[in-house]
Amino acid sequence: NAGVTQTPKFRILKIGQSMTLQCTQDMNHNYMYWYRQDPGMGLKLIYYSVGAGITDKGEVPNGYNVSRSTTEDFPLRLELAAPSQTSVYFCASRVPGQGDNSPLHFGNGTRLTVT
Amino acid sequence: GQSLEQPSEVTAVEGAIVQINCTYQTSGFYGLSWYQQHDGGAPTFLSYNGLDGLEETGRFSSFLSRSDSYGYLLLQELQMKDSASYFCAGVMDTGRRALTFGSGTRLQVQP
Repeated sequence: NAGVTQTPKFRILKIGQSMTLQCTQDMNHNYMYWYRQDPGMGLKLIYYSVGAGITDKGEVPNGYNVSRSTTEDFPLRLELAAPSQTSVYFCASRVPGQGDNSPLHFGNGTRLTVT
Repeated sequence: GQSLEQPSEVTAVEGAIVQINCTYQTSGFYGLSWYQQHDGGAPTFLSYNGLDGLEETGRFSSFLSRSDSYGYLLLQELQMKDSASYFCAGVMDTGRRALTFGSGTRLQVQP
């Protein structure tokens, strides 16, 4: 199993450009998440999904959009990129469970710079 | 608010024991998880406490006290490879089903 795969690994965007960060998992996990991590900080939840066709906002959703058409894929869309979106983006997945007793499996991250 | 607080940095020597504390504030809480992240890497799961008490996994142990809204990660027989950031995390909003992470504790192990 490849686990959680994110592409691209690195990207530099100009202000106002848009892009899609790809995330796919082959573990048949229902729950998928997008987090961003600024330097020296913890992870902040952007969006999450509990199954195909269902998405919901996290703590910092502004400037982002998501879709979940299949169990495997959970792309994150940035429209009109801004310097404040410079960060490392992590996609994660897990099996459903009471509370959080099933561990998150993270992708290797996408390092995005907006200049 | 709903948050998890942990110290920003801890330094220890090889072979020693270190404890990383985590306090949380929330009205609804399922349990406390711990994740390790090496520089430039992705977070990886270390442990989970759903009930009060101590959970042991090799050199690492984790503790939770719901009455005190407090937990800790204990690392024994420290090795240089344990130098990393450690995050406590919990489901702070029972309607969200997503983990909220603390800001992380950077552990530096010195020879």
